[in-house]
Amino acid sequence: DIQMTQSPSTLSASVGDRVTITCRASQSISSWLAWYQQKPGKAPKLLMYKASRLESGVPSRFSGSESGTEFTLTISSLQPDDFATYYCQQYNSFPYTFGQGTKLEIK
Amino acid sequence: QLQLQESGPGLVKPSETLSLTCTVSGDSISNSNYYWGWIRQPPGKGLEWIGNIFYSGSTYYNPSLKSRVTMSVDTSRNQFSLKLSSVTASDTAVYYCARLRSMDTFDIWGQGTMVTVSS
Repeated sequence: DIQMTQSPSTLSASVGDRVTITCRASQSISSWLAWYQQKPGKAPKLLMYKASRLESGVPSRFSGSESGTEFTLTISSLQPDDFATYYCQQYNSFPYTFGQGTKLEIK
Repeated sequence: QLQLQESGPGLVKPSETLSLTCTVSGDSISNSNYYWGWIRQPPGKGLEWIGNIFYSGSTYYNPSLKSRVTMSVDTSRNQFSLKLSSVTASDTAVYYCARLRSMDTFDIWGQGTMVTVSS
């Protein structure tokens, strides 16, 4: 199985900050990576796919990039609605696997 | 607007079979552009992919659960289902159904249903 490792596990930031979450794959997954946002008690919401493509309706302050097996999700200017847990997911090969999550907290 | 809704018992006894159904509204489950999947999340933990199914019945299961998982589809009812046998407390989780776009990303999710395994 491909292991996905996210860092940090928890991130404290303020409204207006620029934040970056990293996801590292244990082997090559090409660009087959998605990012999801999950709020307490809710289902995950797709934000990005194919590493850097923004899902329809998602604000442009979210962006994704890749370098080899390392992927990043950047939020350019944090808004109050962005405080949530973020997960990466690889879909290069079965079984699909998710990162352990990064909880973005208000500082 | 596409919606998915999970249904099934919220409490299952150890060693029994967990059975859930996902009802799709707003689109046909026979749409060949999509697969349909199940994902679960134990309390306070991360997401685990369980498996995918196509309207034709072809399936892909997580090897870690494969021996206990059966997924099926009922096109007449626009539903797909999950059965997980021989459950233990470690199967306690919120179970989500979701649409799989182009066999890759889960773009539409149900609200999730909590299933507790306990005697």
